[in-house]
Amino acid sequence: GAVVSQHPSWVICKSGTSVKIECRSLDFQATTMFWYRQFPKQSLMLMATSNEGSKATYEQGVEKDKFLINHASLTLSTLTVTSAHPEDSSFYICSAPGTSGRSQETQYFGPGTRLLVL
Amino acid sequence: AQKVTQAQTEISVVEKEDVTLDCVYETRDTTYYLFWYKQPPSGELVFLIRRNSFDEQNEISGRYSWNFQKSTSSFNFTITASQVVDSAVYFCALKRGTSYGKLTFGQGTILTVHP
Repeated sequence: GAVVSQHPSWVICKSGTSVKIECRSLDFQATTMFWYRQFPKQSLMLMATSNEGSKATYEQGVEKDKFLINHASLTLSTLTVTSAHPEDSSFYICSAPGTSGRSQETQYFGPGTRLLVL
Repeated sequence: AQKVTQAQTEISVVEKEDVTLDCVYETRDTTYYLFWYKQPPSGELVFLIRRNSFDEQNEISGRYSWNFQKSTSSFNFTITASQVVDSAVYFCALKRGTSYGKLTFGQGTILTVHP
């Protein structure tokens, strides 16, 4: 199956700083990627859809000025949490759809990034 | 609007027991896809199965089997002869038929298999 990586796998930062998380499709191209957030013992909630060459689409209630998304190339999307606060501490996961045949209907997930804001 | 309900928050079984995880979904689409993912303690989501709305055949893969019933809008997952390594959070998810559509996840079921 398709492989998606994320970097870093975990990060601790001070309140008020910005944190950048990278999501890469390693063996395929992804014109679209998705960013999810998962709080402890909760489900995954879609934050935004990242589109290569155009603006991201944010879900209702997600602040686009706080969670900056840049889809710089067909294999890289970045999520920047600006002026992070403790309530932003969460598990951030990206995904990308497969590109051929039946795999197009399947989302392949990265390993996730654990963010802790002190 | 789309919705996925996993009524079982936590399930605890003893090794070698069979266990069924329930999933009920809501959608107005005629074309849609259903998924099951496993999330072990490491956090990475592992894809288990995809089923489209036109294929109601049940599927078996080793100790895993899935029962898709459109009449009851359910897509249940059974693990036969459970093992400790099956302990994880299992998510059922729904996607609209349009390509690259987003996933709507259920709340997840925490499965603990005791030795």
